[in-house]
Amino acid sequence: IVLTQSPGTLSLSPGERATLSCRASQSVGSSYLGWYQQKPGQAPRLLIYGASSRASGIPDRFSGSGSGTDFSLTISRLEPEDFAVYYCQQYGTSFWTFGQGTKVEIK
Amino acid sequence: EVQLVESGGGLVKPGGSLRLSCAASGFTFRTYTMNWVRQAPGKGLEWVSYISTSGSYLYYADSVKGRFTISRDNAKNSLYLEMTSLRAEDTAVYYCARVLAEMATIGNFDYWGQGTLVTVSS
Repeated sequence: IVLTQSPGTLSLSPGERATLSCRASQSVGSSYLGWYQQKPGQAPRLLIYGASSRASGIPDRFSGSGSGTDFSLTISRLEPEDFAVYYCQQYGTSFWTFGQGTKVEIK
Repeated sequence: EVQLVESGGGLVKPGGSLRLSCAASGFTFRTYTMNWVRQAPGKGLEWVSYISTSGSYLYYADSVKGRFTISRDNAKNSLYLEMTSLRAEDTAVYYCARVLAEMATIGNFDYWGQGTLVTVSS
């Protein structure tokens, strides 16, 4: 399974809404679709698991949705600390696959 | 507090070997499936290897199969990655990562270590 994230870079201002896409090359179950946030020099942080469940301690401005081949991560109102790189992850026949990442940068 | 602390990274020549360790604390290590994930400089995340709670089930990415060996010592709360026949393309930060749910076979990764850098260069 190949996960393709779009756009590659998203330039937005604090307070704006961000919508990130993750498309799978074939239909996948949503049980193990995850989203991670990574800031420079830090380890990834789990935001969303099972396509739509927020991980512990994650603010409710982060939400996940989707099924089949199309999934999305939405940040309802960007806070300064949300500017980072975001990865989707899926479990499949090759075990775990990550998307190539979407960078959310300050406009 | 859950903590995962990797160690063992460093500079190694092509064809060389290295053993990474991940010390776990703050949770019942023996009841969690574990993984190694790596990230080449400036690149994205790549899953490397998986080990079940007992160590009975092991899986590897095609890129490292036959060269890397994952293991764990539940008595020492430690995870390992033995890396041999190292190549320049193995240069990366290596993270150990815990699966989300206790006793789960599969799951997303809820805790990650800070990573240890492996550089393969002559």
